[in-house]
Amino acid sequence: QKEVEQNSGPLSVPEGAIASLNCTYSDRGSQSFFWYRQYSGKSPELIMSIYSNGDKEDGRFTAQLNKASQYVSLLIRDSQPSDSATYLCAVNPGGADGLTFGKGTHLIIQP
Amino acid sequence: GAVVSQHPSWVICKSGTSVKIECRSLDFQATTMFWYRQFPKQSLMLMATSNEGSKATYEQGVEKDKFLINHASLTLSTLTVTSAHPEDSSFYICSARDLSGDPYEQYFGPGTRLTVT
Repeated sequence: QKEVEQNSGPLSVPEGAIASLNCTYSDRGSQSFFWYRQYSGKSPELIMSIYSNGDKEDGRFTAQLNKASQYVSLLIRDSQPSDSATYLCAVNPGGADGLTFGKGTHLIIQP
Repeated sequence: GAVVSQHPSWVICKSGTSVKIECRSLDFQATTMFWYRQFPKQSLMLMATSNEGSKATYEQGVEKDKFLINHASLTLSTLTVTSAHPEDSSFYICSARDLSGDPYEQYFGPGTRLTVT
């Protein structure tokens, strides 16, 4: 079973602080990794993709990948109340086109 | 760019009837689209991969005769839930890749909320 694990939370972070979201995956053949944001009742919105070990930054978001540890993380700097949502980690298992999703981490940014 | 639409956004149907959901890529061509299902407070589960001009590939445990997928053009895939039952009530979401951009990123439609009474 190819699995993606996330802490369901809720993770509560003060406004302006850094939110740190983590994800582990089981399939070592996975090559593509994604973070999606999902507001309640809405479909997922792509935030970041990462394919190589290391960091990838886009605005207030930084994705980190460590394939040896099978670990992906997302950092949100200067957190805003509008960042409050469920963050889904998604992985392309090796050889597959479709995404395997984690259950998501519910993030709450406290004003 | 990379906009995916779905229709309808919500539908209520009676048990035993069939429902068709459309997924369209609005500003790009999608040779491959994906159908996911999300039950309340759970994550998205891949149901099937829809390939233009060929048969869909279904995930283990998904009944292909119940969830009919047709990908007749490069911008349209349809999912038909046949003989729907209350346990089929869920949030159905499609996604597609814009190969003119990052070929691995999937963009999701707004979803269709199906309620079977």
